[in-house]
Amino acid sequence: DVKVTQSSRYLVKRTGEKVFLECVQDMDHENMFWYRQDPGLGLRLIYFSYDVKMKEKGDIPEGYSVSREKKERFSLILESASTNQTSMYLCASGQVQETQYFGPGTRLLVL
Amino acid sequence: AQSVTQLGSHVSVSEGALVLLRCNYSSSVPPYLFWYVQYPNQGLQLLLKYTSAATLVKGINGFEAEFKKSETSFHLTKPSAHMSDAAEYFCAVSEQLMEYGNKLVFGAGTILRVKS
Repeated sequence: DVKVTQSSRYLVKRTGEKVFLECVQDMDHENMFWYRQDPGLGLRLIYFSYDVKMKEKGDIPEGYSVSREKKERFSLILESASTNQTSMYLCASGQVQETQYFGPGTRLLVL
Repeated sequence: AQSVTQLGSHVSVSEGALVLLRCNYSSSVPPYLFWYVQYPNQGLQLLLKYTSAATLVKGINGFEAEFKKSETSFHLTKPSAHMSDAAEYFCAVSEQLMEYGNKLVFGAGTILRVKS
């Protein structure tokens, strides 16, 4: 079975803090993704990566950055957390034009 | 850009009744289409996907969906609802990203409630 793990299920941070969310997949997938999920909006793509050290902006990249130093690991970074970044963050991985497999999500609360 | 519309943010059915969750997409070319399910406090799990083979796609847990190009629809059905089907359901369409991959464009989701 494909396994996508995320470093934390719940996080509470303060405004202005730097926040790291980490995602690891075990299926040697080329593509990895970070989505943000908000009620009534579905999931929106923040960033994706199609190879080590390669990244592309998604639909809502502002306030976020990413890092992919190893194929299996994809990190989302909030440089200076703000309250409007309180959300559920979901990582996914997959091959080109194939199914994306999702991690369990990280629920982030920024106070 | 692709878009996905799920009609009805909340659907309520009785246990044993037909489940119908509606999804329309905007693509002008045959897309890859997906239905995912999300149980409370969990990630998304693939229910089924359409990849231009058979138009009627069978998935897990007794769900199926029919691709209708003329209606640009991909509605999800299950003949008989079970209490364990209560969850949020997302329809998604695949959109090509350059030559490197694809992203999923999601609908807003439909919360399914099953009444005993």
